[in-house]
Amino acid sequence: AQRVTQPEKLLSVFKGAPVELKCNYSYSGSPELFWYVQYSRQRLQLLLRHISRESIKGFTADLNKGETSFHLKKPFAQEEDSAMYYCALSPNSGNTPLVFGKGTRLSVIA
Amino acid sequence: EPEVTQTPSHQVTQMGQEVILRCVPISNHLYFYWYRQILGQKVEFLVSFYNNEISEKSEIFDDQFSVERPDGSNFTLKIRSTKLEDSAMYFCASSRSASKNIQYFGAGTRLSVL
Repeated sequence: AQRVTQPEKLLSVFKGAPVELKCNYSYSGSPELFWYVQYSRQRLQLLLRHISRESIKGFTADLNKGETSFHLKKPFAQEEDSAMYYCALSPNSGNTPLVFGKGTRLSVIA
Repeated sequence: EPEVTQTPSHQVTQMGQEVILRCVPISNHLYFYWYRQILGQKVEFLVSFYNNEISEKSEIFDDQFSVERPDGSNFTLKIRSTKLEDSAMYFCASSRSASKNIQYFGAGTRLSVL
C-alpha cells in the first residue's frame, strides 16, 4: 500500500533561517511526488513536483529513492511562507489519485 | 487564471438527509476527483471520474456516495443518507492531461452533519 509520512505536525522557524519539511513515502514502484501548499483561507495549490526539478518561491525538493524521501527545502524562510504543506504521491504518472501526508504547518516567525 | 469552483462553501445538514456538493471543474479538464479531509486528518481520495464514468474509487466511497456529471460543466457528489462521520471538508479537483497528473483543487465545501 502507498503511504506518505510527514513526521512534523508543526515547524516553527525564524525569518531568514533554513527550512526543511520532511516527507517519506512507501511504495514499491516508481511514484511521482508532489508538494502542495495551502495558505491561510486559500485552496490547496501545487507547489512543485519532482519530475519538473524546478525551484518555486525558493523551494526545492529532491527525490531520494534510496531513502524514499522527498524533503522540501528553502535556504532562507520568509514570513509569507507560513502555510500548511502537504506531500503527496501518485503511484504512477497519469490519471491516478493522490495519496497525501497529514501535512506540516510551517510558521515563520519575524 | 481559471479555477475549480465549489458550492456551497459550507453545508449544514441533519443526519440521514441527502446532500449534493457541487463542483465546476476547469473547462478544458477531462479528469475529475473528489477528496475529503476530516478535521485533523489527512486528505483522502474518494473517487475519480473520466469519460462519464468512475475510473477509480476508494473503500470510503460506498453505496451512500454517488457522482454525476449532469451537464458539460458541473460535477456533483451526492451523499444519500448522511452520517455524523461524513462531517469533513470535501475537495473537488480536476486535471487536464493523463500524462501530467497536475490536479487543481477547489476551495472545498465544509459539510457539517448534526
